[in-house]
Amino acid sequence: DQQVKQNSPSLSVQEGRISILNCDYTNSMFDYFLWYKKYPAEGPTFLISISSIKDKNEDGRFTVFLNKSAKHLSLHIVPSQPGDSAVYFCAAGRGLPNDMRFGAGTRLTVKP
Amino acid sequence: NAGVTQTPKFQVLKTGQSMTLQCAQDMNHEYMSWYRQDPGMGLRLIHYSVGAGITDQGEVPNGYNVSRSTTEDFPLRLLSAAPSQTSVYFCASSYTPTSGLNEQFFGPGTRLTVL
Repeated sequence: DQQVKQNSPSLSVQEGRISILNCDYTNSMFDYFLWYKKYPAEGPTFLISISSIKDKNEDGRFTVFLNKSAKHLSLHIVPSQPGDSAVYFCAAGRGLPNDMRFGAGTRLTVKP
Repeated sequence: NAGVTQTPKFQVLKTGQSMTLQCAQDMNHEYMSWYRQDPGMGLRLIHYSVGAGITDQGEVPNGYNVSRSTTEDFPLRLLSAAPSQTSVYFCASSYTPTSGLNEQFFGPGTRLTVL
């Protein structure tokens, strides 16, 4: 059962515009949420996280929004840069890291 | 500081063969884990360890064994390879096993093909 879903396999945006990546989850007990970025032939790298007690977390150009009532998470990248082109994974879990579940990923392409 | 290293980068096995995927980290992290990534699916946890001498099963443990004799190393063994184990394998580590909010550091991955 896929508890974390990223329904858009790909997204293309113009450089300088906003990129919005979406993620839905089914388990209301999840209390932590993370985004990872992955370039080809490399392992995922951590981008940003948020706990369930918050609804927004910002780190530079990256902002994660959490809507617990809708069980929805989004990552905003503003402004988008060509170097942001990668696959983005949403992850969520409860308590311990071994409980984490990953979405299938969204491939973001930022065009110059 | 090399971070998390994995060897080999690529491997081709025949059905029934066994092999060990190596993983090492030099950050003195307590928590280590193995994931597999398959097309159209997210990363799935195979096994994890919360410290030297302690291992446990994740979401998809069948066909794999692990051990953790030192803090640094966490090898993954395929006992009798099957085509269903064709995948990309990632090892990861994290400073503490007590919170999923802490980032995990991933290795570069091993691409395994079982014929």
